[in-house]
Parts: sequence; structure tokens; C-alpha cells
Amino acid sequence: AQSVTQPDIHITVSEGASLELRCNYSYGATPYLFWYVQSPGQGLQLLLKYFSGDTLVQGIKGFEAEFKRSQSSFNLRKPSVHWSDAAEYFCAVGARNRDDKIIFGKGTRLHILP
Amino acid sequence: EPEVTQTPSHQVTQMGQEVILRCVPISNHLYFYWYRQILGQKVEFLVSFYNNEISEKSEIFDDQFSVERPDGSNFTLKIRSTKLEDSAMYFCASAEREGTEAFFGQGTRLTVV
Repeated sequence: AQSVTQPDIHITVSEGASLELRCNYSYGATPYLFWYVQSPGQGLQLLLKYFSGDTLVQGIKGFEAEFKRSQSSFNLRKPSVHWSDAAEYFCAVGARNRDDKIIFGKGTRLHILP
Repeated sequence: EPEVTQTPSHQVTQMGQEVILRCVPISNHLYFYWYRQILGQKVEFLVSFYNNEISEKSEIFDDQFSVERPDGSNFTLKIRSTKLEDSAMYFCASAEREGTEAFFGQGTRLTVV
């Protein structure tokens, strides 16, 4: 079964600074990988996904993530954060089988300093 | 843009009562899911549903829970005899086919009092 680890529970960065949120996964084959964002009291919005091909994927809101098979990682990056990026970020991994259920990490809460 | 719709957005129920959470997946999607998020915690998989049957369920999804696709468009989660610890945000999701992303609804916040 697949699993995902987000080692940072909270991250604080200043507005305009760069951001990297870490995600490590465990799965026997190449997984599907996702990053979702959740604002307080809101649903889950897909930022980006990796299925195959180019290991650097671009998402919405200026986010990107890089799949590194050797490190079993799928870290999320943004070169310059905005105050509106303050939210909870979930990395998720999906299995390549009929069910394709997604397993979520515990999330990283991003705080932005003005 | 098509979206997954969940109703109600917020439901308050008394302990021991039954609740039904409703979801309308995207129309051409074939895979359906329910997830739960207890306040301040991670999003947890409950159950997946394909071809009119449960394909996988987590240990959370015990006999208290059931899912149904009653009419080809709705996808419901029934919780019998609710407990205080069932209070959570419940998310429905659907996917078009194997290997595609799941789209999530906005969630139903269930509060058991």
C-alpha cells in the first residue's frame, strides 16, 4: 500500500521569499502524485499532479513540483510567496491500480509573515 | 467547469441519529470516493466505489457506514447511529477513469452533538 510523509507540520516564510514544502512517498512502483491546497474551512483544490513524463510539473498559482524517483520525493516549490498562499498543503499519492484511491499526507500549514 | 457537488454544506445531528451525506459526482466519472477530515487532522480515505460496488474500504469504514449510488447520479454516504467522534468534514471525490485525477467536492461539515 502507498503512504506519504510530510515532515514539516508548520512552515513560516516571509512574503516574497521562496518556498519549498517537502513530501516523501512510499510505493512499490511509480505512483501518481498530487499536491492539494486547503484554505481554512474550505475544500481541497488541486495545485498540480504528476502521472508520467517530465518530472518537473507546473501547477496553478505559480507552484511547481519535482518528482525525484531516487529520493522518493515530490517537493512543492514557489519562487515568491504571497500572503494569500497561507493555507494547509497536502501531498497525496495514488496507486496505479483499478481503485486509484489517494492517500494523503498529514499536511503542512504554511504561515506567511508580512 | 464541471464540479463535484456536496449537500448539505453543514449538518448538525444528535448522537445516535442517522445521517445521509449526498454527493453528485461529475457526470462522466466512473470512480467515486469518500474521505473524512477530523478538525485539524489529515484527510483520511474511507471508501472507493466502482461499477456499483465497494472496491476498497479503510478500517474506519465499519458497519456504521454504507454507501450507495441510488439513481445513477447521486452518491451517498450513510452513517448510522452517529457518535461524537464522527464529527468531521466529509469529502466526496470522483475520477473519470483509472489513472486520472480525482476531483473533490467542497465537503460537508458534520457536527454530532
